[in-house]
Amino acid sequence: EVQLVESGGDFIQPGRSLRLSCTASGFTFDDYAMNWVRQVPGKGLEWVSGISWNSGSIAYADSVKGRFSISRDNAKNSVYLQMNSLKSEDTALYYCVKDISAFISYMDVWGRGTTVTVSS
Amino acid sequence: DIQMTQSPSSLSASVGDRVTITCRASQDIFNSLAWYQQKPGKLPRLLIYAASTLSLGVPSRFSGSGSGTHFTLTISRLQPEDFATYYCQNYNSVPLTFGGGTNVEI
Repeated sequence: EVQLVESGGDFIQPGRSLRLSCTASGFTFDDYAMNWVRQVPGKGLEWVSGISWNSGSIAYADSVKGRFSISRDNAKNSVYLQMNSLKSEDTALYYCVKDISAFISYMDVWGRGTTVTVSS
Repeated sequence: DIQMTQSPSSLSASVGDRVTITCRASQDIFNSLAWYQQKPGKLPRLLIYAASTLSLGVPSRFSGSGSGTHFTLTISRLQPEDFATYYCQNYNSVPLTFGGGTNVEI
């Protein structure tokens, strides 16, 4: 069974840093790009960042560029999102999402998400 | 960045109705468009990719069309399990962008 499990979400003060992790199973991890998508409860989906199969292609939403950093460790079947200089508007449920291909495109498998709350 | 605009933002419909949702891109994205369905409290589900190709297991009452900047998602005969929020997504270029969503309610 294809599965994505996120961790690392927390309640944290503005300006601090947080690292999200996502561990994958049930598929050949290094064949696929991976993404982070966030959603404020009751609101829409916002793509945050994506990384290609070999980390050769990385992209970010304008709202997080310069503050967030995505990485992956194919030996550990894991993808990470380093979140720095957090703002209240980063508060959301963060999903780890498998891409349909080796490069950033559209997505077919979603994790259950990890909640990030940024507040003083 | 490519902006994706969905309309309407919400609609009311009845079981058996034909429903059409529109998604417009701020520039040409060819056919690099996906549609997702999200039910309350559930994860998004991929419905359609390449503007018109149904994902595995998606009922044939769903269809997608369009190319360039104008796309539509049609549900031919609405079923009770179709009441949900639908999102379009551009994947022609990064950053990937989603439409604001269309809530289909009873």
